[in-house]
Formats: sequence, structure tokens, C-alpha cells
Amino acid sequence: GQNIDQPTEMTATEGAIVQINCTYQTSGFNGLFWYQQHAGEAPTFLSYNVLDGLEEKGRFSSFLSRSKGYSYLLLKELQMKDSASYLCAVMDSNYQLIWGAGTKLIIKP
Amino acid sequence: EAGVAQSPRYKIIEKRQSVAFWCNPISGHATLYWYQQILGQGPKLLIQFQNNGVVDDSQLPKDRFSAERLKGVDSTLKIQPAKLEDSAVYLCASSLALTGSSGANVLTFGAGSRLTVL
Repeated sequence: GQNIDQPTEMTATEGAIVQINCTYQTSGFNGLFWYQQHAGEAPTFLSYNVLDGLEEKGRFSSFLSRSKGYSYLLLKELQMKDSASYLCAVMDSNYQLIWGAGTKLIIKP
Repeated sequence: EAGVAQSPRYKIIEKRQSVAFWCNPISGHATLYWYQQILGQGPKLLIQFQNNGVVDDSQLPKDRFSAERLKGVDSTLKIQPAKLEDSAVYLCASSLALTGSSGANVLTFGAGSRLTVL
């Protein structure tokens, strides 16, 4: 079967750095997405990786290793507004998105 | 550009009643998705349309759920009769790319319709 694993919850301190991991087992691979979802709101797109390596976008970076079935989202200089759930999703060989359950990130002052 | 519009935002019904949700995607987006998101879980795809045709409805409980996308623009999702386990947020999303044409297929979500079944 197809599976996406992420930690359920993480806690970090304002101003610090946090890494949210995602491992996947899917039928084929056509890219990996990270979405941010604030409580009670819709998911919003953060990043897309299809090749191995690091993609940097401001305070957020996303890394992919296809051989290991592994990705991480790195958030730097954490702000209180970064408190949200972070969803990892993989597009399989049929171009269907397989979603993880999300990681709830709690930022403490 | 205007985002994905959904209504109603909140709905409370009793079990065995019916409910309908409406979605208007971003103009020009060919693909429209309905997801069910239960609290603490990731989105679960219910149905995917490309223009006005169904691409994937394998996880749609067809005995009680139905969806249509007439004229390839807006869409409605109906539940009849509702069960307690249908309590969830129903998210509509749309994307510009045609299914299978690109891996970089970014979805834009609406604010969601929160359903509570009592």
C-alpha cells in the first residue's frame, strides 16, 4: 500500500530552527509537496520537490532524497505565526496525491 | 485573482438528513477536487473532476455521496443520508494543470465547509 509518515506533533521556540520529516512509500513518484494549514483554515502551498536536493524559499527550505523516500521541511527564525499543521503529500505514478496526516507545530515564546 | 469559493462555511444537521456543498473554482482551472478532512488527519480525496468529467471517484461512498460539475465550472457535493462519521471539513480545491500533464500540479484550496452531524 501507499504510505506517508510524519510526526504527529512538534514543539519549538520562537526564533529557533525546526525540521519536520516526512518518509514515504508510494507507487511511483512525480514530486513531493509541502502545504501549511493553520487551524480552521485551508491548506496553502509551500514547496514542491521533484529532484534530489534542497530548495530554499525565504525562511523555509525543503529537501528531498528519492532513493531514501525521505523529505524534510526546514523552518528558520521561527515566528509565532508559523504555528500550524504541515502536510506532506506525494504525487504517485498516476499523478494522484497521497497525503500524510500532517505535523502540528507548536511555537512557544 | 479570486480564490476558490465554498459555501456554506458551517452546517449542522441531524443524522439521516441531507446536505449540499457548493464550490466555485479559480477561473480557468481545469481540475476540481473534493476532499474530506477529519480533525487531526490529512485530506482524503473523494472525487476529482477534469473539466466536467470524473477522473477518480474510487473513495467516494456512492451509496450516500454524489457530486457533479455541470458545464465544467462550479460543483456541488451532496450527502444523503448523513451519518455521524461524516462530520468533517469538506475542502474543495482546483488546479490549472490537466491530470497527468505535470507533477508540479499545485492545488489551491477553498476555506472549506465544516459539517457537524448530530
